[in-house]
Parts: sequence; structure tokens; C-alpha cells
Amino acid sequence: EDQVTQSPEALRLQEGESSSLNCSYTVSGLRGLFWYRQDPGKGPEFLFTLYSAGEEKEKERLKATLTKKESFLHITAPKPEDSATYLCAVQLRDKLTFGTGTRLQVTL
Amino acid sequence: DTGVSQDPRHKITKRGQNVTFRCDPISEHNRLYWYRQTLGQGPEFLTYFQNEAQLEKSRLLSDRFSAERPKGSFSTLEIQRTEQGDSAMYLCASSPTDRVSPLHFGNGTRLTVT
Repeated sequence: EDQVTQSPEALRLQEGESSSLNCSYTVSGLRGLFWYRQDPGKGPEFLFTLYSAGEEKEKERLKATLTKKESFLHITAPKPEDSATYLCAVQLRDKLTFGTGTRLQVTL
Repeated sequence: DTGVSQDPRHKITKRGQNVTFRCDPISEHNRLYWYRQTLGQGPEFLTYFQNEAQLEKSRLLSDRFSAERPKGSFSTLEIQRTEQGDSAMYLCASSPTDRVSPLHFGNGTRLTVT
């Protein structure tokens, strides 16, 4: 069965304390892996698409990487405004299947 | 690009009532998706349209749920005889018809069934 698993479920960091979020997947026929950010009461906001193992994408303090089994979202020197839930999703045929997300809290 | 808009943002209804939600996608996007999200979970796929054709429905979508996309523009999701288990955030998303493209989400309709 196709599965997407994110860890940790929750992460608390101090401002400036870098870390990584993990998304592991067991799917066949992966077309793409997506990262989203979701703030409370809002819809997911698109961050990155990764298509093949070895690919990397960066945006401000975020960097996403992809291997054949998992993806990492690295957060460098986070700020309180980076606090959100980060979701990963895999594309199978024409729809996205999401993990349960990592709730990130960044404190001063 | 005004983004995906959903209406209403919040809906409180009593068990057994019918509710209808509306989604207006990004205008040039051919595909429109409905997802459901409960607290602490990721969005779960319900159904999607390409233009006016409904191409796939999840097993989660019971026969109390119906979705339409007349003329391939806006879409409605109706839930008949609501149950407390229907309480969730209902998210709409759209995308162009590319082989791999991200979904662009609206801010959802929060349904509470009392």
C-alpha cells in the first residue's frame, strides 16, 4: 500500500537552531514530491516540487532534498515566523497523497 | 491571479441538515480537487474534475456527498443528511493540466455539525 510518513510529529526549536524534517514514502510510480506549509485556519501553501532522487530546491531558510525513499526539509536559522505545519505529499497518477505533517514551533 | 476562493469560510449546521460549499478555482486551471482535513491530519483526497468531467472519487466519498462542476468553472460540494463525523475542513484546490504540477489550495470551509 502506498504510504507517506512524516517525522517528527512536532518539533520545537529556538530561533537560529537549525533542524530537518523527514518525509518517507513507499509508493510505486512516483511522479513528484511536494512540500507545503500550512498556517492555522488556512489552506496549504505550496513550497517546492522535487521530481527525482538527488534533486534539491531552496527558498530563503528552507532547503528540500529527495532520495529514492525519503525527502528532507532542512530549516536553517529559523525565525518565529517559520512556525507552521509542514506537509509533504506524493503525486500518484493525478492526485496528491499527503502525510500527517510536522508541527514546527520556533521560539525566541 | 486571485487564487482559489471558497465560500463560506465557516458553516455550523445541525445533524441531518444539508449543506453546500462553493469553490472558485484559478481561472486558467482545468483541474479542480476537493480534499477533507481533520485536526492533526493531512488533507485526504475526495474527488477531482478535469473541466466539467468528474474523473475520480475516493471511497471516503459516501453517497451523501455529491460534487459538481458545471461548465468547467466553479464547483460545489453538497453533503446531505450531515453527521457529526462530517465535521472537518473542506479544502478545494486547482491546477493546470500538466503531468506534474502542484495543487493551489483555497483557505477551506470549516464545517461543524452539532
